[in-house]
Amino acid sequence: DAGVTQSPTHLIKTRGQQVTLRCSPKSGHDTVSWYQQALGQGPQFIFQYYEEEERQRGNFPDRFSGHQFPNYSSELNVNALLLGDSALYLCASSFGLANEQFFGPGTRLTVL
Amino acid sequence: DQQVKQNSPSLSVQEGRISILNCDYTNSMFDYFLWYKKYPAEGPTFLISISSIKDKNEDGRFTVFLNKSAKHLSLHIVPSQPGDSAVYFCAASEEGQGAQKLVFGQGTRLTINP
Repeated sequence: DAGVTQSPTHLIKTRGQQVTLRCSPKSGHDTVSWYQQALGQGPQFIFQYYEEEERQRGNFPDRFSGHQFPNYSSELNVNALLLGDSALYLCASSFGLANEQFFGPGTRLTVL
Repeated sequence: DQQVKQNSPSLSVQEGRISILNCDYTNSMFDYFLWYKKYPAEGPTFLISISSIKDKNEDGRFTVFLNKSAKHLSLHIVPSQPGDSAVYFCAASEEGQGAQKLVFGQGTRLTINP
């Protein structure tokens, strides 16, 4: 039973570039949430997708956008990268409105 | 605006003793609370949760206590084992929002000494 998978593991970009991160949810899960974890901080909620629609959004600018596909996998896109976007990006999956979310290993993004 | 706070950045405990990790919250609308454990280079792993209708939930060596009037919860690990060394995050969510957004604390690094 595969857990949540994310790709790539690491990514290095320069300021102004765009990046796409990918996530496949745990088998049987239909809801995907994205979190940003800065160094020394707890994860911060970016947004959640269910039935291919954004269900709720955290306090992040429009440069952060996402998508969910019919197979429940999801992408996180960040445009016009800033140095402050350097962080670990975590994807979590759950079933419906279940509280327990299961996290992937994350993608470490470095913006130079 | 830190709605969930873990005021101890680190905690060191002797193997076999009890580890107590604390968490405070400010939003009285939170009604579900979770603890996650994180090892380096891995995503957070769900440990245990508690609904606001309970004041205690136990799962093996892990027990979570909730004091709603104080807006405080704690995670007890007994007995502590070397494999428990990790960063622990508490998280909270608010039902009825149409989505389960988790609000996390900053984490507490637990070190279990042999």
